Amino acid sequence: SAVISQKPSRDICQRGTSLTIQCQVDSQVTMMFWYRQQPGQSLTLIATANQGSEATYESGFVIDKFPISRPNLTFSTLTVSNMSPEDSSIYLCSAGTAIPSEAFFGQGTRLTVV
Amino acid sequence: SQKIEQNSEALNIQEGKTATLTCNYTNYSPAYLQWYRQDPGRGPVFLLLIRENEKEKRKERLKVTFDTTLKQSLFHITASQPADSATYLCALEASGGSYIPTFGRGTSLIVHP
Repeated sequence: SAVISQKPSRDICQRGTSLTIQCQVDSQVTMMFWYRQQPGQSLTLIATANQGSEATYESGFVIDKFPISRPNLTFSTLTVSNMSPEDSSIYLCSAGTAIPSEAFFGQGTRLTVV
Repeated sequence: SQKIEQNSEALNIQEGKTATLTCNYTNYSPAYLQWYRQDPGRGPVFLLLIRENEKEKRKERLKVTFDTTLKQSLFHITASQPADSATYLCALEASGGSYIPTFGRGTSLIVHP
């Protein structure tokens, strides 16, 4: 199993600023992902964080808005750039292996943009 | 396009009864399906994985069925307890080499003492 530490757990940010969310896994994992979850909604995949290379973004998400880093197998960051109130959501880090298996999640970051 | 449907209405049951949650999918050929539990303010926690060639999987009080003909999975909690109250998400991973789960929006279960 893997334990994921995500921080900050919550933040209130001003419009136009940026927030970087950190995700640390306690063991080496093959894959790391970032999701967004609006209240009462399903998890929407933002991107797959690739070690040492550019992240793979899903439709509707772009690198300029959500830059992602993954310098090693156990750590990743997601930045929400030039924030607007529409970015208010819960952001979740997830990790897993390449074989069919469970996905592990951090506790999430609740972001409010005012 | 691919779609996963879970009942958006909360399921209310009495303690001790069996809770049954449904996950339907369309335009999918999933190699496997997962169920997760999510508590308020927390990330999802993995419960069970069932593969396309398995009809049923059990773990303690949990049972999952997977009917690829009906394109449906049922998730059962027997002898339910108030501590089972949470939102339950189903997630599908498509065959063809993608291991990234796609999630339904979940069904809220409320177990009354």
